[in-house]
Amino acid sequence: EVQLVESGGGLVQPGGSLRLSCAASGFTFSSYDMTWVRQAPGMGLEWVSSITRGGNTYYGDSVKGRFAISRDNSENTLHLEMNSLRAEDTALYYCAKIVYIGGSQLFDYWGQGTLVTVSS
Amino acid sequence: EIVMAQSPATLSVSPGERATLSCRASQSVSDNLAWYQQKPGRAPRLLIHGASTRATGVPARFSGSGSETEFTLTISSLQSEDFAVYYCQQYNNWPLTFGGGTKVEIK
Repeated sequence: EVQLVESGGGLVQPGGSLRLSCAASGFTFSSYDMTWVRQAPGMGLEWVSSITRGGNTYYGDSVKGRFAISRDNSENTLHLEMNSLRAEDTALYYCAKIVYIGGSQLFDYWGQGTLVTVSS
Repeated sequence: EIVMAQSPATLSVSPGERATLSCRASQSVSDNLAWYQQKPGRAPRLLIHGASTRATGVPARFSGSGSETEFTLTISSLQSEDFAVYYCQQYNNWPLTFGGGTKVEIK
């Protein structure tokens, strides 16, 4: 059974940093691209960042230059390093597994999320 | 960035009725569009990809159509478990973008 468990969220002051982790199990982690999607309280979904199995990275415009996605295939863990945090980064952060079906890039399994609150 | 606009924001439907949700892209995304369902307190669930292909295990009452910039998700006969928020998402271009969502509520 595929499981994705996020951790590392919490309360941080504006300008601060936080590192999120996503522990993966139930599939061959190193063979799959992975992604982070966030959801501000009461709002919609926003794609944050993706990393390919080969280590190529992609970022949304709102986090580019401040966030860094990485993966540790030996530990089956996905990370999101978040710097220069702003109030608008407050959200529930989901990690998700990416699957390609006929060329479609799809998020087929999701974790339950970890909450990041940026406030003084 | 491709902007995805969903309408309506809220749709009130009685159980057993049909629901039609719309999604419009600011530029062509071909058929590189997915629909996700999200229930309160839960992570999103993939429903449709390639604009019209149901994901594994998705009931046949869910159908997707459209291409380029105009897309539709239809739920033919709403069941109690279908009341949720639905998001469209394009994966044709980076950055990947979601629509703002349509909440389907009980009338």
